[in-house]
Amino acid sequence: RKEVEQDPGPFNVPEGATVAFNCTYSNSASQSFFWYRQDCRKEPKLLMSVYSSGNEDGRFTAQLNRASQYISLLIRDSKLSDSATYLCVVRSTGNQFYFGTGTSLTVIP
Amino acid sequence: GAGVSQSPRYKVAKRGQDVALRCDPISGHVSLFWYQQALGQGPEFLTYFQNEAQLDKSGLPSDRFFAERPEGSVSTLKIQRTQQEDSAVYLCASSGGGQGEDEQYFGPGTRLTVT
Repeated sequence: RKEVEQDPGPFNVPEGATVAFNCTYSNSASQSFFWYRQDCRKEPKLLMSVYSSGNEDGRFTAQLNRASQYISLLIRDSKLSDSATYLCVVRSTGNQFYFGTGTSLTVIP
Repeated sequence: GAGVSQSPRYKVAKRGQDVALRCDPISGHVSLFWYQQALGQGPEFLTYFQNEAQLDKSGLPSDRFFAERPEGSVSTLKIQRTQQEDSAVYLCASSGGGQGEDEQYFGPGTRLTVT
């Protein structure tokens, strides 16, 4: 079983839509959680860390559910510039970071 | 300030050649990671340094892969006798000098093609 699993999509949504991605992780002792964004042929860039209490940054909201071992990312009022691959990342008990395969999002005009 | 830089950006190697990939982390960052990213996949962990100490190399796929960070800043990932399956993007990331110990900042990667 993979450490981190994501639905690869693709998700094709119209501008202005709300879209949500989920990610599950297998190690209940995992310590830190993140969402990264990766544009085509570019490096991953940190979008946001995910805290137990949930956190929001503008149109983006991240939630962590430790009991069910999943992480979510909600994007409201989608923009064309949100089109990218979104990577779920989990830090295990050591310093190994596990990446999901990514969820592809295309926002359509 | 300067981010993570990697060189070369692109490398074409013939099967059996040795290659060396360089990473310059963000100044002052203690932790440095190497990842391998195949097409359509997420980055896969290769190895981790804290300063000059290589604390985890469990992700290195074979003994042909070797990484070092002798002075705790610049790191080199070396692949000996390259094989076609080594073709991938090699990403370097650093952390520990900014907003959070965990948050990693990636370089642009080296795209390795083995022919």
